[in-house]
Amino acid sequence: DAGVIQSPRHEVTEMGQEVTLRCKPISGHDYLFWYRQTMMRGLELLIYFNNNVPIDDSGMPEDRFSAKMPNASFSTLKIQPSEPRDSAVYFCASSSVYGSPLHFGNGTRLTVT
Amino acid sequence: DAKTTQPTSMDCAEGRAANLPCNHSTISGNEYVYWYRQIHSQGPQYIIHGLKNNETNEMASLIITEDRKSSTLILPHATLRDTAVYYCIGNNQGAQKLVFGQGTRLTINP
Repeated sequence: DAGVIQSPRHEVTEMGQEVTLRCKPISGHDYLFWYRQTMMRGLELLIYFNNNVPIDDSGMPEDRFSAKMPNASFSTLKIQPSEPRDSAVYFCASSSVYGSPLHFGNGTRLTVT
Repeated sequence: DAKTTQPTSMDCAEGRAANLPCNHSTISGNEYVYWYRQIHSQGPQYIIHGLKNNETNEMASLIITEDRKSSTLILPHATLRDTAVYYCIGNNQGAQKLVFGQGTRLTINP
């Protein structure tokens, strides 16, 4: 089991550019989560999916952020256009059943200049 | 979900037991206590969770007070690799939304 895989590990981009973060959950897991971590705000839940369907996106900061899960093995988080305040580490996590522990990836460190 | 309170930081000597406290005085009857840790530059890692009985696994033990207003995570023989931020979370296991606080930064000293 390779765990949750995120790519890229690091992303540096200029303000106004589109950014796409990718996540491959653990095979067989039905839930997928996107979190963001900054020094100021800590770990924040952005959105989570169940069986590829978005369940709660109340944590998505604004319309510039969008997340998709086209199939059970892949999800993307897109920021368009990106802004310097989006700089953070973005984590993807998955879990197998309702209430089971979350397994996190190692994150994507995004820097927007 | 219950609000939790943890010390900002703690130190422990290598080889000794590390006891990390957590207050969750507003926890409701159906809320579990979860512990995760985050080692530098990695994603959070699940450690253990419990409802009202004490729990033990290969990583740690969780002691929950009888009134469930507080709990203690015990790492029985701390190693340098246990240096991390430890998060205590009160959560309704029926909900998938884990809300992380600021956690306790545990430093294991040689």
